[in-house]
Amino acid sequence: GENVEQHPSTLSVQEGDSAVIKCTYSDSASNYFPWYKQELGKRPQLIIDIRSNVGEKKDQRIAVTLNKTAKHFSLHITETQPEDSAVYFCAARGLTGGGNKLTFGTGTQLKVEL
Amino acid sequence: NAGVMQNPRHLVRRRGQEARLRCSPMKGHSHVYWYRQLPEEGLKFMVYLQKENIIDESGMPKERFSAEFPKEGPSILRIQQVVRGDSAAYFCASSPGQGASYEQFFGPGTRLTVL
Repeated sequence: GENVEQHPSTLSVQEGDSAVIKCTYSDSASNYFPWYKQELGKRPQLIIDIRSNVGEKKDQRIAVTLNKTAKHFSLHITETQPEDSAVYFCAARGLTGGGNKLTFGTGTQLKVEL
Repeated sequence: NAGVMQNPRHLVRRRGQEARLRCSPMKGHSHVYWYRQLPEEGLKFMVYLQKENIIDESGMPKERFSAEFPKEGPSILRIQQVVRGDSAAYFCASSPGQGASYEQFFGPGTRLTVL
């Protein structure tokens, strides 16, 4: 089945700096890659996603890039703010078992320091 | 438009009891997914359902766990004879359906504590 690896597990940046989180996946047939932000005790919230027919997508301070050949995708947050502090999860949508199953990475604890 | 709803938000059970977790998808969504999140860990897929059908249950433990999404009413995740290792947050997500948006929207979760 699909395997998603995520790095780093923790990331500390100064306010205003950029943060980059990287994920790799194993199933070349995966075609959709969402990123979720989860604050402590809250639900995962979709912040950005990308489909396999697109190489890059941007939404204000957040961008995602996808390299299908290398099977990796990255989340980029620019001009970080304290409210960006949270756990971020990447995921990949596989096509086995009827499709739609999301396999998640292990998460990155992002801390934005003042 | 109400989001995905789950209840109860917190559930405490003693070992050997049954736990029933309920999930109502977003309006217009016909696909429901259940994920489990152990403390300090990521989300693990359990089961994917459509109305009256289990599409993929590859993440469900073979024993004690079952799920349904009846024609009327919420989806139910049922855990029989709970053990301490079942303590976790259980999240439900929903999506519109095949061929449409792939986005899955999560509910607030049910935090199960087994004493």
